[in-house]
Amino acid sequence: DTAVSQTPKYLVTQMGNDKSIKCEQNLGHDTMYWYKQDSKKFLKIMFSYNNKELIINETVPNRFSPKSPDKAHLNLHINSLELGDSAVYFCASSHSASALRYGEAFFGQGTRLTVV
Amino acid sequence: RKEVEQDPGPFNVPEGATVAFNCTYSNSASQSFFWYRQDCRKEPKLLMSVYSSGNEDGRFTAQLNRASQYISLLIRDSKLSDSATYLCAVNNLNNNDMRFGAGTRLTVKP
Repeated sequence: DTAVSQTPKYLVTQMGNDKSIKCEQNLGHDTMYWYKQDSKKFLKIMFSYNNKELIINETVPNRFSPKSPDKAHLNLHINSLELGDSAVYFCASSHSASALRYGEAFFGQGTRLTVV
Repeated sequence: RKEVEQDPGPFNVPEGATVAFNCTYSNSASQSFFWYRQDCRKEPKLLMSVYSSGNEDGRFTAQLNRASQYISLLIRDSKLSDSATYLCAVNNLNNNDMRFGAGTRLTVKP
């Protein structure tokens, strides 16, 4: 069973288009994240959600809109795609502060977005 | 200053070598610390958590120095299969803020 799954795995699209990436976790975690990994391989946090509530919005252009319908899902919608949006987008999940858990994050396989 | 800083390397070492990676973090509110491994075109995977007293898992030893806000990873007896990028991560559990370093690339050669 896949713990954190995101779709699609690859996405090639033209500038100006709108696209969505979906993420689901079956780990029972209450926190989910979106990260962007650019060509220099730096893994940069974009958003974090806890129990469907937005916690972190890391100065991401408002063309990026996350949506969490429930705590097992966190989708990312991107409007008016630009060349600079080309990157690998990783979804991740973890437990929030808890005496029982240490907060380690588990990642999906990534979505490789190429804007042409 | 970046919140989590690592030497990007690359580190090129022969099999059997001992190699150490260092990482510093700026947020003193960070509560949880980790080392992740990322293979080419794959997602990061947890290698080990880092505990205050230091911890060991086989050939891997992690240390935490809260006073200096510093984390380290030591790999002994390097194997070819250890070749990967190693990312340190810190988590401020109060606001679910999980930050990563830029990663240190390791290549172990025969």
